[in-house]
Amino acid sequence: EIVLTQSPGTLSLSPGDSATLSCRASQSVISSYLAWYQHKPGQAPRLLIYSTSSRATATPDRFSGSGSGTDFTLTISRLEPEDVAVYYCQHYGSSLFTFGPGTKVDIK
Amino acid sequence: EVQLVEAGGGLVRPGGSLRLSCAASGFLFSTYNMNWVRQAPGKGLEWISYIRSGSIGISYADSVKGRFTISRDNAKNSLYLQMNSLRDEDTAVYYCARESQTFYAADVWGQGTTVTVSS
Repeated sequence: EIVLTQSPGTLSLSPGDSATLSCRASQSVISSYLAWYQHKPGQAPRLLIYSTSSRATATPDRFSGSGSGTDFTLTISRLEPEDVAVYYCQHYGSSLFTFGPGTKVDIK
Repeated sequence: EVQLVEAGGGLVRPGGSLRLSCAASGFLFSTYNMNWVRQAPGKGLEWISYIRSGSIGISYADSVKGRFTISRDNAKNSLYLQMNSLRDEDTAVYYCARESQTFYAADVWGQGTTVTVSS
């Protein structure tokens, strides 16, 4: 069973900054099976990125995904106040959806 | 508009039962695989159950196996989660989520329904 770890736990940045969120898998995963979600309090989670680097519908191009093997990254460029949320990476495998513990992004 | 709306949450005592439902609209529900995902207070997202479009394939997380049952009624465009032998640790917001037909992720989510297990 694949375990996902995310770092950092919390990221506190200023508007306009760039945020780099890391997701590490316990073993190599197929890039098609790695996705990222944004979750704001009181709202439904929202798919941002699928297949490591493909933006979902309505995902701004400020969000980009990259990586391979065991290391994956979500980058948020030009951080905006509306980006305050918890971001989860997710792997699709034999245990269906496995989520990482999340990275909380705050605005200073 | 593509939409998922959960219902059925509430306060239940430990050992009790509850049935959640998820009403789908705006898409051909019968052709999509569906999931239940939950978030306990202060915790992250936890996938708990999956059902294929034709109900042939079903899977559960170890944390709910033997206590929860997922089902669907394609004629009613509805997904269900029967929760028995509820524990304090089942307290969470429960989301239904649609699995994309073209990639390996959940592309549509409901707003969630809150289940509180407490005496």
